[in-house]
Amino acid sequence: EDQVTQSPEALRLQEGESSSLNCSYTVSGLRGLFWYRQDPGKGPEFLFTLYSAGEEKEKERLKATLTKKESFLHITAPKPEDSATYLCAVQRGNAGNMLTFGGGTRLMVKP
Amino acid sequence: NAGVMQNPRHLVRRRGQEARLRCSPMKGHSHVYWYRQLPEEGLKFMVYLQKENIIDESGMPKERFSAEFPKEGPSILRIQQVVRGDSAAYFCASSPSGLETQYFGPGTRLLVL
Repeated sequence: EDQVTQSPEALRLQEGESSSLNCSYTVSGLRGLFWYRQDPGKGPEFLFTLYSAGEEKEKERLKATLTKKESFLHITAPKPEDSATYLCAVQRGNAGNMLTFGGGTRLMVKP
Repeated sequence: NAGVMQNPRHLVRRRGQEARLRCSPMKGHSHVYWYRQLPEEGLKFMVYLQKENIIDESGMPKERFSAEFPKEGPSILRIQQVVRGDSAAYFCASSPSGLETQYFGPGTRLLVL
């Protein structure tokens, strides 16, 4: 059974204090690993897709990386507007297209 | 380009009533997925549909829940005889094909009294 574990569950940062969020996964035949951002009362907003170990993608203050067992979401010099829950999900390549999500990391950035 | 649309955004039902949740995918997307987010839990897959076909319903509860995606109109998630444990946020996602990024709607928050 596919498993996705995110850590920490919650993270408080001061504005400008860089950090990383972790997503550990166990999946047979990974097709893709996805990062989403979810604000309270809203749906997940797509950030990145990573397909193979060693791949990296960047968007503004966010950078996602992938190894064979985990993915990191690095946040450089965060701002209060980066406060949200960050979700990681995996998709198997050989058994349908469903996403299996982790529990998320709640990020709070204080000014 | 409008995103995934869901309605209603909030739905209140009494135990035993029926709930109908609607989802219109993004323009050009023919693949629809439903996920449920229970309070204090993560998103869980329920069902995957293409037009007029259910492709994967492995995450659907065996009773009271059904889904359809007709040739014309939105996808519908139907919950019959709702119970308090059905209270959750229900999200719809769509993609242009089965293996591409899924884009999510704003969700329908169901409250069962």
